[in-house]
Amino acid sequence: DTGVSQNPRHKITKRGQNVTFRCDPISEHNRLYWYRQTLGQGPEFLTYFQNEAQLEKSRLLSDRFSAERPKGSFSTLEIQRTEQGDSAMYLCASSLAGARESGANVLTFGAGSRLTVL
Amino acid sequence: DQQVKQNSPSLSVQEGRISILNCDYTNSMFDYFLWYKKYPAEGPTFLISISSIKDKNEDGRFTVFLNKSAKHLSLHIVPSQPGDSAVYFCAAMDSGTYKYIFGTGTRLKVLA
Repeated sequence: DTGVSQNPRHKITKRGQNVTFRCDPISEHNRLYWYRQTLGQGPEFLTYFQNEAQLEKSRLLSDRFSAERPKGSFSTLEIQRTEQGDSAMYLCASSLAGARESGANVLTFGAGSRLTVL
Repeated sequence: DQQVKQNSPSLSVQEGRISILNCDYTNSMFDYFLWYKKYPAEGPTFLISISSIKDKNEDGRFTVFLNKSAKHLSLHIVPSQPGDSAVYFCAAMDSGTYKYIFGTGTRLKVLA
């Protein structure tokens, strides 16, 4: 397994366009998270899935944002009608639910997808 | 409301000395804490974690201490090496929600 994979790594778009990011988690991980990080800040929680169910969404996630995880495998994060304030690094992470002593519940992050909205 | 705070944006330490990074939290429901290290253009990498039933966890040069009454945790790196230079984030999780909240990070610079 090559870890958590995110595509594309970089996306430059014009304001008003739609963008979609994809995340492929570690295959045996059943939880998948999306975070957003801007300069000088820590990762901000956006949403997370357990298998295919979206269990929580942050109030940061406006109606223009939607995330899916069909069949509990890969996930997509779509941003519609992008705004300059959406420029950020979008991070995906996955984890395995289980006993902490086994190393479960540790988030493994991908390298991120950097979005620039002009 | 910043539930996890790292009040020192940066820290410089001489190679071979101890680095101490601090983190405070406000939510008493947090019961699992993690430290991550981040290099530019990469995602955060897991370093070490601690459950709220413990007050110390050690892994090689890295030790995390948890003081539940003060809602404070710290990461000790001994001895510090130039390769440790990175941004360090603490994170806290509530097992009722499985949501991880991150601090704003501390940039560590280890001087050779």
